Amino acid sequence: GQQVMQIPQYQHVQEGEDFTTYCNSSTTLSNIQWYKQRPGGHPVFLIQLVKSGEVKKQKRLTFQFGEAKKNSSLHITATQTTDVGTYFCAGGGSNYKLTFGKGTLLTVNP
Amino acid sequence: DADVTQTPRNRITKTGKRIMLECSQTKGHDRMYWYRQDPGLGLQLIYYSFDVKDINKGEISDGYSVSRQAQAKFSLSLESAIPNQTALYFCATSASAWETQYFGPGTRLLVL
Repeated sequence: GQQVMQIPQYQHVQEGEDFTTYCNSSTTLSNIQWYKQRPGGHPVFLIQLVKSGEVKKQKRLTFQFGEAKKNSSLHITATQTTDVGTYFCAGGGSNYKLTFGKGTLLTVNP
Repeated sequence: DADVTQTPRNRITKTGKRIMLECSQTKGHDRMYWYRQDPGLGLQLIYYSFDVKDINKGEISDGYSVSRQAQAKFSLSLESAIPNQTALYFCATSASAWETQYFGPGTRLLVL
């Protein structure tokens, strides 16, 4: 079945440093979504990418979808303590459901 | 998201007991999901339902069962709880297959 791999599993940064998490699928995706889960909270939708090579920005967050629609990345510029949490990618495949990656836990040292 | 509620929020039970986790949504979505979250393992899909008459097994359905009582309600049951079912359980909904999923606040379950 479809597998979505996400790396790194953990990332600790100093406040102000950049952060990137990567997502790779074993199959071509129809779309990819990104979610953020704050400590003690539930996953919350951030964005969806659909087109090959698509790039979207939300303030300091930049999301990319690969040309082959098998990989994606989330980059945060100049991290802040409010960025702390686990970031999940979720790929939409031919089986009409999302497959979530295991997530990247980001901690930020102030 | 306040539109998706889960009860109870926390539950402690003993091995062998039957328990039910409930999920309700006011978003009017047809699709509902149950996930399990363990540290470092991300979100694992237990069951999903595309409408009241359509229920499907996910990656880790063994030891669990579900009931879709209405469009708005989707319950998860553990027929005979075991300690390795200790986890955080999330319910989610979506309007269609690849649309945004809206998660409930989660139920933290401890099986002793």
